[in-house]
Amino acid sequence: AQSVTQLDSQVPVFEEAPVELRCNYSSSVSVYLFWYVQYPNQGLQLLLKYLSGSTLVKGINGFEAEFNKSQTSFHLRKPSVHISDTAEYFCAVSDRSGGGADGLTFGKGTHLIIQP
Amino acid sequence: KAGVTQTPRYLIKTRGQQVTLSCSPISGHRSVSWYQQTPGQGLQFLFEYFSETQRNKGNFPGRFSGRQFSNSRSEMNVSTLELGDSALYLCASSGGTSSDTQYFGPGTRLTVL
Repeated sequence: AQSVTQLDSQVPVFEEAPVELRCNYSSSVSVYLFWYVQYPNQGLQLLLKYLSGSTLVKGINGFEAEFNKSQTSFHLRKPSVHISDTAEYFCAVSDRSGGGADGLTFGKGTHLIIQP
Repeated sequence: KAGVTQTPRYLIKTRGQQVTLSCSPISGHRSVSWYQQTPGQGLQFLFEYFSETQRNKGNFPGRFSGRQFSNSRSEMNVSTLELGDSALYLCASSGGTSSDTQYFGPGTRLTVL
């Protein structure tokens, strides 16, 4: 079984400032890691994913994340945020060996609030 | 390529009724998963279908069921609705060269009165 902890339920940031959204996970098996974004009244959009290889992964909209196996973390970062980044961000994991059958385990989400 | 589509987008039902939600995956994707999203419990996995077979199920009562058709389209059914079933139901598909990644639809907002 896996679990995901997003340490901050809300993160207020001024426009054009950098931001980091924190995610830690716990798992007894190897996992894939994902960040999704959800805008109001919409589904989830994939921002980026870590499957293997380089621990620094780049995604859409200028976001990137770094996988740290020793700290079991997968923090999301953006060097300069825009008003349009205001949304709910979800970190998720899946079992590598599950072939997709086990579903994703999500964190509770972090609401990113961009202040002008 | 068209994304995952879900119908209807909004539904209002009363307690005790049943409801069926539909999901069409991305073309070529054979796996469909369903999730429930509520403010209190967050995003929770309901079940996953692959080639018309349920491969896994989350911790939900038997009132929640699903099926998948030969064209990979999936339906989810909730019987004897309860107030607590009010939620956003999300469908996700995966497959082809993206078998490790789930792509989500816009969801169906179910309100139970």
